[in-house]
Amino acid sequence: EVQLVESGGGLVQPGGSLRLSCAASGFTFSSYDMHWVRQATGKGLEWVSAIGTAGDPYYPGSVKGRFTISRENAKNSLYLQMNSLRAGDTAVYYCARDSRGEGYFDLWGRGTLVTVSS
Amino acid sequence: EIVMTQSPATLSVSPGERATLSCRASQSVSSNLAWYQQKPGQAPRLLIYGASTRATGIPARFSGSGSGTEFTLTISSLQSEDFAVYYCQQYNNWPRVTFGQGTKLEIK
Repeated sequence: EVQLVESGGGLVQPGGSLRLSCAASGFTFSSYDMHWVRQATGKGLEWVSAIGTAGDPYYPGSVKGRFTISRENAKNSLYLQMNSLRAGDTAVYYCARDSRGEGYFDLWGRGTLVTVSS
Repeated sequence: EIVMTQSPATLSVSPGERATLSCRASQSVSSNLAWYQQKPGQAPRLLIYGASTRATGIPARFSGSGSGTEFTLTISSLQSEDFAVYYCQQYNNWPRVTFGQGTKLEIK
């Protein structure tokens, strides 16, 4: 079955760190650019990071310097290391497959909830 | 950053009727525009890409149009399962994609 499964979410204090994982199956993971997208409760979707097939990372200004995206093709896995977490980072984090490297997402995971609170 | 603005925020339509959702980009995104459907507790689902191409398995009642800065998603005859939140997304500035704030399609 073609799917993405996120894990690693949870409750963390402000200033803390968390590492999210996304396990891919059913397709050739190494051939796809991958992204993380987040959604705060009741809010819209926000792009968080992307990684190319060659491992090149991209970030918006809101997380640059705090978040690190990486991938391990041998394990069909995508990661997001999140440091210096803030209350505003509280959201469901989705990993998403970039269709044909064009920038729209044809496969999403079910998400993992990250709550930043003291 | 390219800002995507969707209207209306909420649209009330009766089953069987037609729904028209709008999305505007702050600058031209050519045809690099996608639409997603999201139901409560679920991940978004790709409906349309390239402004007008239906994704695999998407019913023909969903259609997209537009280019440049103005886009429309039309659902020709609403079914009960179509009531959800819809997001547009530009990917002209890959990988720095941006989404609209969403339109909630509710039953009238």
